[in-house]
Amino acid sequence: QQQVKQSPQSLIVQKGGISIINCAYENTAFDYFPWYQQFPGKGPALLIAIRPDVSEKKEGRFTISFNKSAKQFSLHIMDSQPGDSATYFCAARAGGFKTIFGAGTRLFVKA
Amino acid sequence: GAGVSQSPRYKVAKRGQDVALRCDPISGHVSLFWYQQALGQGPEFLTYFQNEAQLDKSGLPSDRFFAERPEGSVSTLKIQRTQQEDSAVYLCASSMTSGLEYNEQFFGPGTRLTVL
Repeated sequence: QQQVKQSPQSLIVQKGGISIINCAYENTAFDYFPWYQQFPGKGPALLIAIRPDVSEKKEGRFTISFNKSAKQFSLHIMDSQPGDSATYFCAARAGGFKTIFGAGTRLFVKA
Repeated sequence: GAGVSQSPRYKVAKRGQDVALRCDPISGHVSLFWYQQALGQGPEFLTYFQNEAQLDKSGLPSDRFFAERPEGSVSTLKIQRTQQEDSAVYLCASSMTSGLEYNEQFFGPGTRLTVL
């Protein structure tokens, strides 16, 4: 119930293409869903986040789509760039502090 | 400081040794978190402090793991009698206010612990 399942494990996208990462959860107590970006040797950094009362949130080239009934959410990276190559983690939080992370998606954008 | 800092960045320990990992959160941040990140995995929650109070330690894997934040700023994660399975990156994060609000957690670069 505490898990957040993330797919795919790895993703290769051409420059300019769309990267899509999917996540699913079971615990309906989760009420905040952040996405993190992590570069090698660095800690995760918040990219974008959504609450379940919203079905979509867009910030620049990054969009979260949220389907509350299906308990699924996804990250879309439009016009993917080589600098986007990193590991992306979806996450979920209940009660404001304990964050549960997915296993991560390693994205590589080919120039 | 400009961000969360952790030291040392790398630590190699022989099995059975004790280690201490330090976290300096962003100045003024009330909440502090420790996570363990195994190779190729997402971070896993270990423990949470609000000021000096340790409010949740449910993620600590065993009683060999101990965390403290005595003055509500710097925190230390101590691992006693290290085992090979303790090898991981230990991440510290801090956020501005207490746990019931959706404040961003700022992560440090982590300490990579290798137990031989």
